[in-house]
Amino acid sequence: NAGVTQTPKFQVLKTGQSMTLQCAQDMNHEYMSWYRQDPGMGLRLIHYSVGAGITDQGEVPNGYNVSRSTTEDFPLRLLSAAPSQTSVYFCASSRMTSRYEQYFGPGTRLTVT
Amino acid sequence: AQKITQTQPGMFVQEKEAVTLDCTYDTSDPSYGLFWYKQPSSGEMIFLIYQGSYDQQNATEGRYSLNFQKARKSANLVISASQLGDSAMYFCAMRVFGGANSKLTFGKGITLSVRP
Repeated sequence: NAGVTQTPKFQVLKTGQSMTLQCAQDMNHEYMSWYRQDPGMGLRLIHYSVGAGITDQGEVPNGYNVSRSTTEDFPLRLLSAAPSQTSVYFCASSRMTSRYEQYFGPGTRLTVT
Repeated sequence: AQKITQTQPGMFVQEKEAVTLDCTYDTSDPSYGLFWYKQPSSGEMIFLIYQGSYDQQNATEGRYSLNFQKARKSANLVISASQLGDSAMYFCAMRVFGGANSKLTFGKGITLSVRP
C-alpha cells in the first residue's frame, strides 16, 4: 500500500515557468487536497476535491489550478511560477467523513528563482 | 468560517516530564472534529489524535491525550513522559462534518523541544 505519493520531491523553477506537481493515492479516498507550508504560516489550503470531477478553492488558490479526472489523482498546476510560490507543498487524502484523519504525502519542496 | 489559533511560542520541556500544547478554535458548526499532527524535522506529517465534538470523553492515544473543553473552544494536547523524539512542530487542525465544505483547517503550529 503506497498511501499518498507526490512527485517530484524537489523542484527549481524560473519565474514565469509552468509545471505540474503530481499527487496520487491508492486508498480510494474521496477527499483530496493541496496545502502549502511556509515558515510561521502553518499549512494553508490551496485547493481541494470531494470526488472525481469536483474541485473547490481553499484559502490561497491564486496562481494554481487543479483537476480531478480520477479518484486516484489530483495534480496541482502552477500556471506562471512566481518567487512567492516558493514553498513546501503537501498533498493529502482522506475519506469524506470528518472523523477520519488525512493522510499526507511526503511533500514537494519548490523554489522559484 | 473555521479558525484555529495556536499562539504559544517555542515550548521547552525536560525529558520525562509532561507538556501541554494549547489550541483554541472557532466555528459555528455544532459537528466537527479536532486533530493534532506532529511534524518532525524530516518533514512528514504524522497524525496523533482525534476528538469529535460529540465525544463524551477526552481522547487518548498512548502518551497523547486531548484536553477538550467545548465551552471554552479549546483542544489542548497533553504529552506525558516526554521523549527526545517528541521534539517537533505540532499542528492543531479542525474539520467540520459533511458536505463539500469538509476541509481541514490548520493552526500555525507550535515548536516543542525536549531537553535531556
